[in-house]
Amino acid sequence: DTAVSQTPKYLVTQMGNDKSIKCEQNLGHDTMYWYKQDSKKFLKIMFSYNNKELIINETVPNRFSPKSPDKAHLNLHINSLELGDSAVYFCASSPITGEQYFGPGTRLTVT
Amino acid sequence: LAKTTQPISMDSYEGQEVNITCSHNNIATNDYITWYQQFPSQGPRFIIQGYKTKVTNEVASLFIPADRKSSTLSLPRVSLSDTAVYYCLVGGYSSASKIIFGSGTRLSIRP
Repeated sequence: DTAVSQTPKYLVTQMGNDKSIKCEQNLGHDTMYWYKQDSKKFLKIMFSYNNKELIINETVPNRFSPKSPDKAHLNLHINSLELGDSAVYFCASSPITGEQYFGPGTRLTVT
Repeated sequence: LAKTTQPISMDSYEGQEVNITCSHNNIATNDYITWYQQFPSQGPRFIIQGYKTKVTNEVASLFIPADRKSSTLSLPRVSLSDTAVYYCLVGGYSSASKIIFGSGTRLSIRP
């Protein structure tokens, strides 16, 4: 059973389009995250939700909008995609003890 | 805000013990130290977490001195499959804790 899953695994799209990435965790964790890993492999946190409530919102363009319909899901919607949005996006979840469990990632390529 | 510093890369051989040290001079009283492993094209994987002294699990040990300004991840008898990037992360249990991944240590294991 996959603990943290993301769809799609790959996403190729053109500039200006709007796309969504979905994340689900079956670990019963209250906290979920979205990270961006760029070509230089730096992992940067974008958002954190705790029990459907936005907790961390780093300096991310407002074209990025997370949505948490329930505590097992955290989706990421991106409007007006730009070339610089190309990266691997990771979803993660954590229990109260703080260690994070990551999904397999979604490789987004904007052309 | 605890920033971490790790060696950019390390090399070792199969069967050796590998120690990767992380500096975190500004660690806060309620911060924990967590290590992750990342293989290419995969999400980071939780390895071990600790607060002080020594923690050991089935894959690694974590040594934390009394001042907690550094920590050392110890991998016993490494194999080729331990070739990966290792990240040190410091932060509190709170879901609102600042989360910053450093540049990580690229560990290469040779036969």
